[in-house]
Amino acid sequence: QQQVKQSPQSLIVQKGGISIINCAYENTAFDYFPWYQQFPGKGPALLIAIRPDVSEKKEGRFTISFNKSAKQFSLHIMDSQPGDSATYFCAASGPGGGADGLTFGKGTHLIIQP
Amino acid sequence: KAGVTQTPRYLIKTRGQQVTLSCSPISGHRSVSWYQQTPGQGLQFLFEYFSETQRNKGNFPGRFSGRQFSNSRSEMNVSTLELGDSALYLCASSPLPLGLPLNEQFFGPGTRLTVL
Repeated sequence: QQQVKQSPQSLIVQKGGISIINCAYENTAFDYFPWYQQFPGKGPALLIAIRPDVSEKKEGRFTISFNKSAKQFSLHIMDSQPGDSATYFCAASGPGGGADGLTFGKGTHLIIQP
Repeated sequence: KAGVTQTPRYLIKTRGQQVTLSCSPISGHRSVSWYQQTPGQGLQFLFEYFSETQRNKGNFPGRFSGRQFSNSRSEMNVSTLELGDSALYLCASSPLPLGLPLNEQFFGPGTRLTVL
């Protein structure tokens, strides 16, 4: 069964600190790993994504680190701000016509304390 | 460019009824996927439509169905509603079919369905 395991379930970080969310996957056929940010009452918004041919991707304060051999990837939010408080989902998908859409982690509820 | 729109935003139904949800993808996007989001199960893939054809389907009963029109707008139908169908139903659009490289999915705000 395709699974993506996400941790922690909830996270509290002080303003200006680094928020780190981790995900692990099982299916080695996955080749696309996006992160989504969701605010209450809104749909998930694509934040940043990575493919397994690179080990790190940075966009502003958001960085994805990818470890193909360990089948793990993580999201780092630098200089975390109260506006970053949201639920974050990691996801993965694979190639081919039989793709089952995005397989999501269970989500991390992030709170940035001012 | 306008984002993904979903209607209605909120819906209340009773057990046994059926419901139809609508999704308009981003202009130019031909792939529409549907997801169910619940606190217990998280986000789960329902199905994907591309060029009016269902390409993929998740592990949901046949009560969940959908279709796509020639303008790429999609509808999802749930028949014989059960209490457990209460969820946020999300629609996502992408320019290409799922599984192809460099293919991002963009989500709408969702339809909150409550079954009483």
